[in-house]
Amino acid sequence: QSVLTQPPSASGTPGQRVTISCSGSSSNIGSNTVKWYQQLPGTAPTLLIYSNNQRPSGVPDRFSGSRSGTSASLAISGLQSEDEADYYCAAWDDSLNGPVFGGGTKLTVL
Amino acid sequence: EVQLLESGGGLVQPGGSLRLSCAASGFTFSSYAMGWVRQAPGKGLEWVSGISGSGGSTYYADSVKGRFTISRDNSKNTLYLQMNSLRVEDTAVYYCARFSGSYFWSAEYFQHWGQGTLVTVSS
Repeated sequence: QSVLTQPPSASGTPGQRVTISCSGSSSNIGSNTVKWYQQLPGTAPTLLIYSNNQRPSGVPDRFSGSRSGTSASLAISGLQSEDEADYYCAAWDDSLNGPVFGGGTKLTVL
Repeated sequence: EVQLLESGGGLVQPGGSLRLSCAASGFTFSSYAMGWVRQAPGKGLEWVSGISGSGGSTYYADSVKGRFTISRDNSKNTLYLQMNSLRVEDTAVYYCARFSGSYFWSAEYFQHWGQGTLVTVSS
């Protein structure tokens, strides 16, 4: 059971906009910034979003993040086949004194 | 270019020990906190342990506290994870990851990841 809650799956067609939600509590998302990681099939995770809505260099602006209260979301616009991957949200948890992850959302591009 | 190369994974019996290593290059190793994150087969990510850039502060998830020890040798640009009293549920790919700053704390995050090394605990 992951500390942060994500839907196990999401899907969309090429060109569509999809969103992935992430729910936490006051000890993690409610008081610390949210990060998102992308894990392409058979590879290691890579940083996609940090500080709720900041993109590292090289990440397309099709990816955007937001946070409100104890929840966060990742939006992907102009969906492409190469976006098919697992997506994980993460945040520091003040009670556990370490980072916590969501269970991951498998995105399928139909 | 930041590179993190894990090694030391393998098959070990329950109750056994294993030491993972992570060779870092492409950045000033001592300036960054480091951590280990694991992923059980078909499962999600789980933070295991973290260490500050100087090595003076270490942090552990409750699931491994008292069994695993994280350390680093800044002269060799290498991160370690000593794993003792291994359990079947420790079976996972273990990723070495670099934090975004020198302290392992809430304002920072895992910025770069290695490719992982598989640890299998089975009799």
